[in-house]
Amino acid sequence: EDQVTQSPEALRLQEGESSSLNCSYTVSGLRGLFWYRQDPGKGPEFLFTLYSAGEEKEKERLKATLTKKESFLHITAPKPEDSATYLCAVGTGNQFYFGTGTSLTVIP
Amino acid sequence: DGGITQSPKYLFRKEGQNVTLSCEQNLNHDAMYWYRQDPGQGLRLIYYSQIVNDFQKGDIAEGYSVSREKKESFPLTVTSAQKNPTAFYLCASSIVVAGGYEQYFGPGTRLTVT
Repeated sequence: EDQVTQSPEALRLQEGESSSLNCSYTVSGLRGLFWYRQDPGKGPEFLFTLYSAGEEKEKERLKATLTKKESFLHITAPKPEDSATYLCAVGTGNQFYFGTGTSLTVIP
Repeated sequence: DGGITQSPKYLFRKEGQNVTLSCEQNLNHDAMYWYRQDPGQGLRLIYYSQIVNDFQKGDIAEGYSVSREKKESFPLTVTSAQKNPTAFYLCASSIVVAGGYEQYFGPGTRLTVT
């Protein structure tokens, strides 16, 4: 069964305290691993797509990496405005499978 | 500005009534999707459409219907047969890019049925 699991469910960081979010998957026919940011009451905002193991992408304080079975979203020196839920999804064929997200809170 | 619009942002209905949620995109994307989001659960696929006049059921299609008469539009009807319709509904579209594809979301419609 295709599955996407994110950990931890929730993460509280002090401003400036770097950390990583994990997304593991058991999906056949991977066509892309996607990271989104979602603020309360809003639609997910696209961040990155990773296509093959070893690939890395960066955007401001965020860096996403991909292996054959998991992806990490590294957050370097986070700020309070980085507080949000981060969603991971895997695309395969015509469908996308989503994890339940990691709720990140960055405390000033 | 290119993007996906959903309307209305909030929708209230009485139990037993059908309701239609609007989704429009001007990104020229071929594929469009409807998801449902509930607290503590990942996004679940309701329906998707790869081309005009064609659509497929997702994991939780029961109690929902869609149409795709135009490339830009993919409305979702929540029927009275849907047992738990109160949720946050998200429309998305996707495009094929080099090596894969990318999916983008609209702002969502929060439906409350009482």
